[in-house]
Amino acid sequence: AQSVTQPDIHITVSEGASLELRCNYSYGATPYLFWYVQSPGQGLQLLLKYFSGDTLVQGIKGFEAEFKRSQSSFNLRKPSVHWSDAAEYFCAVGAGGTSYGKLTFGQGTILTVHP
Amino acid sequence: ETGVTQTPRHLVMGMTNKKSLKCEQHLGHNAMYWYKQSAKKPLELMFVYSLEERVENNSVPSRFSPECPNSSHLFLHLHTLQPEDSALYLCASSQTAVGLAAYEQYFGPGTRLTVT
Repeated sequence: AQSVTQPDIHITVSEGASLELRCNYSYGATPYLFWYVQSPGQGLQLLLKYFSGDTLVQGIKGFEAEFKRSQSSFNLRKPSVHWSDAAEYFCAVGAGGTSYGKLTFGQGTILTVHP
Repeated sequence: ETGVTQTPRHLVMGMTNKKSLKCEQHLGHNAMYWYKQSAKKPLELMFVYSLEERVENNSVPSRFSPECPNSSHLFLHLHTLQPEDSALYLCASSQTAVGLAAYEQYFGPGTRLTVT
């Protein structure tokens, strides 16, 4: 069975600083990987996805993520954080096959942005 | 209305009550999902519907009863819940329930449920 670990429960950065959120997954085959963001009182919004091909994927809101098979990682990055990026971020892995869209989520990383 | 809407946004119910959560998607999708988001736990998939047919029940207790009368509406009927069922219940939809498109899920804002 697949699993996702987000080692950092809470991260604080200053506005304008760079950001990297860590995600490690466990899955036997080639994974489908995702990052979602949840703002307070809102549902989850898909930031970016990796299915295959180029290991550096671009998403919305200036985010990118890099798939590193050797490290079983899919870390999320942003070069310059804005105060509006404060939210909770979830990494997820999809099982593929006939799993009917089953996503396994990490526990989330809360991002606080200081002015 | 656009996207995925959920009502009510907040619900407080006693353990003997019966209530229902409603979800509606305005995206023309064919698959809908219920998730449970508890404090300090990862998001848990509960049910998956594809074209109004339930295709996944992730070992959810029978006190949770889903209903999908058409591809735009999804309900979660609740009865005799326990305090540990208090959580944020999220609805999502996707174009299909199979293939890569199934993973591009659009979420509603959720219903915050408190069981007293």
